[in-house]
Amino acid sequence: KAGVTQTPRYLIKTRGQQVTLSCSPISGHRSVSWYQQTPGQGLQFLFEYFSETQRNKGNFPGRFSGRQFSNSRSEMNVSTLELGDSALYLCASSFSSGSANYGYTFGSGTRLTVV
Amino acid sequence: SQKIEQNSEALNIQEGKTATLTCNYTNYSPAYLQWYRQDPGRGPVFLLLIRENEKEKRKERLKVTFDTTLKQSLFHITASQPADSATYLCALGTDSNYQLIWGAGTKLIIKP
Repeated sequence: KAGVTQTPRYLIKTRGQQVTLSCSPISGHRSVSWYQQTPGQGLQFLFEYFSETQRNKGNFPGRFSGRQFSNSRSEMNVSTLELGDSALYLCASSFSSGSANYGYTFGSGTRLTVV
Repeated sequence: SQKIEQNSEALNIQEGKTATLTCNYTNYSPAYLQWYRQDPGRGPVFLLLIRENEKEKRKERLKVTFDTTLKQSLFHITASQPADSATYLCALGTDSNYQLIWGAGTKLIIKP
């Protein structure tokens, strides 16, 4: 079966711009979580969506937002980009219970570089 | 605050030996702990999950232990191979919250 698909794979943006990243979860997975990963840092939780509702949110500024569609596909948006937003953004899909029983399936990520 | 510690320095192991990685945590009472493998530029890949009432879990050459008294998990790879070289991440979660807390990972290098 198809894995988690994230697009685009790489992205270069200028400070002040906004960006939208997309994630298509595994078929049957209704939970989608987003993480930010920077060198030397653990994965930082952004938010989690289930059935089009944000179920949990991490400690990121309001510039980071997301949404989930009825087909479980999810997007995250970052407005007014800053240099510190440069990171690998990872999407993880799972069953309704989150990762508690079967773990997450991650996409390959979107590498965002802000210049 | 909640904290997870993994060996920050790379772990160099000779091929064929057992690699043991450590995950320690403080100020947290997880219901389960997960281990993932991550290759450069790729997303983490789920390996094993162990719950608080389980002492040990095995999958092929992998073994995970979970000691809630010591607040520690050990991850073992037996008969290690160069293809096992990667960064290994541990993550903790509770059943009341869908958010995992992640360690920064340990880079494992298996030398031929």
